[in-house]
Order: sequence, then C-alpha cells, then structure tokens
Amino acid sequence: AQSVTQLDSQVPVFEEAPVELRCNYSSSVSVYLFWYVQYPNQGLQLLLKYLSGSTLVKGINGFEAEFNKSQTSFHLRKPSVHISDTAEYFCAVSRSGGYQKVTFGTGTKLQVIP
Amino acid sequence: EAQVTQNPRYLITVTGKKLTVTCSQNMNHEYMSWYRQDPGLGLRQIYYSMNVEVTDKGDVPEGYKVSRKEKRNFPLILESPSPNQTSLYFCASSPDLGTGGVGYTFGSGTRLTVV
Repeated sequence: AQSVTQLDSQVPVFEEAPVELRCNYSSSVSVYLFWYVQYPNQGLQLLLKYLSGSTLVKGINGFEAEFNKSQTSFHLRKPSVHISDTAEYFCAVSRSGGYQKVTFGTGTKLQVIP
Repeated sequence: EAQVTQNPRYLITVTGKKLTVTCSQNMNHEYMSWYRQDPGLGLRQIYYSMNVEVTDKGDVPEGYKVSRKEKRNFPLILESPSPNQTSLYFCASSPDLGTGGVGYTFGSGTRLTVV
C-alpha cells in the first residue's frame, strides 16, 4: 500500500518570502507524484506532476518540486510567494503504470501574510 | 470549456432523506471518481468508475451508491443520509484508467450538511 504524509497542516509565510511545503511518501514500487492546489471555495487543480526523468519539476504559478527517491520526498517550493498563493496544497501519489489508486495527503494550508 | 460540473454546490438536508449529487464531464473521460474532503483527513475516495457500467468501491463507500449509465455522468446517491456524511464532496475525472500520469480534473465541490 502507498501513503502520503504532509507534516505541516499550516504554513504562514510573509509575502515575497520563499516557501517549502513538505511531502513524503511511502511505496515499494515506482510512483507518480502530484501536487494539487485548492483555492478557497474551489475544486482542486493540478499544479505539477512527476512521472519520470528530471527530478526537478516546474509547474504553474512559479512553483516547482523536486523528487528525491532516496528520501522518498516530493517537496514543493516557490522562491517568492504572493498573496494570491494563499490556498490549500495537496500532495498525491499513485503507482506508475495503468490504473492505480491515487492517495492524497491531508493537505497544507499556506497563508501568505502581507 | 472542458470541465466537471457538480450540482448542487450547497445542500442542507435532514437525516434519512434520500438525495443525489450530480456530476457531469464534457471531456469524454473514461475514469470518474467521488471523494469526500474532511478537515485533517484530506481527500478520501468513495467510489470510482473505469467506464460505463463499471464501478468499484474506494476507501469509504459505506452509505453511498453510484451509477454510471452514460460516460459523461456519475451521480452520487445517499439513500439515507446521516450527520456523519456532512462533508465537502468532489467529483473528478481522468482520460485514462486511473491517472496514467495525466492527473484529475475536479469539479467545484458540493458542500453537504445533514441535520
């Protein structure tokens, strides 16, 4: 079975400061990894994904994430946050290939402080 | 516009009164799924469907039913809602079986309150 851990339930950060949202996963096989963002009163939308190849993945809105197989992590980063980045962020994992169940983390609320 | 449409957005109902939350996608996706979102628990899968007439249980299926008679529609049915089903519900779709690396398209959510 696979699992995802987002250790930080809330992360406050000042505007224009860098931020890192942590995600660790466990799986005994190859995985796909995703980050989704949920703005207030909206559904989730895909921010970025890692399938294979380069371990540094760039997504929308200036976010990027790095896949680290040895540490089983997929942390999300942004060098300078804006007020509009205030949202909840979900990390998700699935086994690679064909239909595989997607498991979501419990979410991290990013609060950008003016 | 490619989208997943859920209705209603908000619903307050009483215990035991059957209700249906509709979900429709216009992308010809094969895979559809229902999730519930609860504080501190993230998203948990209720049911999923890999194609017309093919449905299966997710992690928390108790108290829910689904049907997939047409490719575009995947309604969620609560035959006898109870207060512990108060939650935020999301429908999602994907063009392949599961993820295949494409990821999901989510609806805007349905906030259900059962009193």
